[in-house]
Amino acid sequence: GAGVSQSPRYKVAKRGQDVALRCDPISGHVSLFWYQQALGQGPEFLTYFQNEAQLDKSGLPSDRFFAERPEGSVSTLKIQRTQQEDSAVYLCASSFSGSYKGEQFFGPGTRLTVL
Amino acid sequence: LAKTTQPISMDSYEGQEVNITCSHNNIATNDYITWYQQFPSQGPRFIIQGYKTKVTNEVASLFIPADRKSSTLSLPRVSLSDTAVYYCLVGDPGSRGTGANNLFFGTGTRLTVIP
Repeated sequence: GAGVSQSPRYKVAKRGQDVALRCDPISGHVSLFWYQQALGQGPEFLTYFQNEAQLDKSGLPSDRFFAERPEGSVSTLKIQRTQQEDSAVYLCASSFSGSYKGEQFFGPGTRLTVL
Repeated sequence: LAKTTQPISMDSYEGQEVNITCSHNNIATNDYITWYQQFPSQGPRFIIQGYKTKVTNEVASLFIPADRKSSTLSLPRVSLSDTAVYYCLVGDPGSRGTGANNLFFGTGTRLTVIP
């Protein structure tokens, strides 16, 4: 079956623009995670959904970052008024389990470059 | 906060066994140890997870001593395709709402397999 997909794969934005990054998790997966990965660093947790409920958003770096998963499947990470420091790869992962237990399946990521 | 410490990089020749050790001195009673592999331009991929003693699957083994303050990922007979970054994570798989504490990737270990 299909894995986790993300779109777009690459996004270039001018500073101050809003961007929306999409994640299609594996069908039936309860948990969905967003991570930010800077060059040469490991992924850093942003937020976590269980179905449509956003249970943890403690990793979101500022109120310019917003994530939603309205129907418990597809998720969108929105970044308002992008800044250069937002340039990174944004990874989405899903998991069958309703907790943090078990394997997370990652998408290929969206590389965001803010000019 | 159960953070981890790993070597920044390792080199190995093809066909050798590679052992990557991760230190996690502050591991909590309910924490599990999970290893992920990441190739360039891809999301991380789950390798193995364990709680104590030894876990083995088709690709790796995970050794965890009794005090659980460290763990060792063992890759048998590595090939060039095993060149990647390997991350050790420590967290409570049953907890919710504390994602920032539980999903810390760190900088990982960059393994280079030499022909």
